[in-house]
Amino acid sequence: GENVEQHPSTLSVQEGDSAVIKCTYSDSASNYFPWYKQELGKGPQLIIDIRSNVGEKKDQRIAVTLNKTAKHFSLHITETQPEDSAVYFCAASILGSQGNLIFGKGTKLSVKP
Amino acid sequence: DVKVTQSSRYLVKRTGEKVFLECVQDMDHENMFWYRQDPGLGLRLIYFSYDVKMKEKGDIPEGYSVSREKKERFSLILESASTNQTSMYLCASSTGRFSGNTIYFGEGSWLTVV
Repeated sequence: GENVEQHPSTLSVQEGDSAVIKCTYSDSASNYFPWYKQELGKGPQLIIDIRSNVGEKKDQRIAVTLNKTAKHFSLHITETQPEDSAVYFCAASILGSQGNLIFGKGTKLSVKP
Repeated sequence: DVKVTQSSRYLVKRTGEKVFLECVQDMDHENMFWYRQDPGLGLRLIYFSYDVKMKEKGDIPEGYSVSREKKERFSLILESASTNQTSMYLCASSTGRFSGNTIYFGEGSWLTVV
C-alpha cells in the first residue's frame, strides 16, 4: 500500500522567510496530493491540493510542486507570518478510487516574529 | 460553511469503561471517518463509513467499533477503554464515494484513560 514520508518533523523560521516542507510517496499510481494545516486546538483544514496532471499550483503565498518521476511533492510558504505557525500534513491518494487518503506524520512549523 | 461537530472536547475515563465519541456533520456528506492523532505518528484511520449502517476498517481498528444509524452521525465506541487509547480523536466527513474530495475535520476529542 501507499506510504507517505514527510520532512522535517519540525521547522522554525523567522517571520518573512520562506518555509519548505517535503513529502515522498511510494505508490506511483497516486495522483492526488492535498496539504492540510492544523492550528492549535483545531482540526486539520485543507489549504491547497495538486493533481498529477500539473507540476505546480499557487495560491497567494502558498505553492505546491510535484515531481512524479521522483515521487515527491513539496509545500512552499513565502513571506511567512506568525499565523502560519501550525502543524502541516501532506497526503496522497488515487483520484476516483475508493482508497482513502494516506497522511504524512506532520511538520510543526514555528514562525518567530 | 461545513461543520463537523464532536460533542465532547475533553474526556477522562477509567480503564475498562465503555466510551462513546459522537460526531455530527451538517453537509449531507456520504463519507465519515474517525482518525486518531498521536505525536510523531500523524493521522491514522480507525474506521470509515460510505453510507448509513455501513462501516469499513481503517488501519488501526483493533479495540474500536463504530455506529452509523443516521447519515449525519458517526459514533466511535471503545468497548473497554485502555490506557494506550489515550489520544486525540478526529472525526471527518467528505462528499462522494471516491477519493479526491475535500475532507472536513472536527476540532477533535481529547481522551485520557486512567
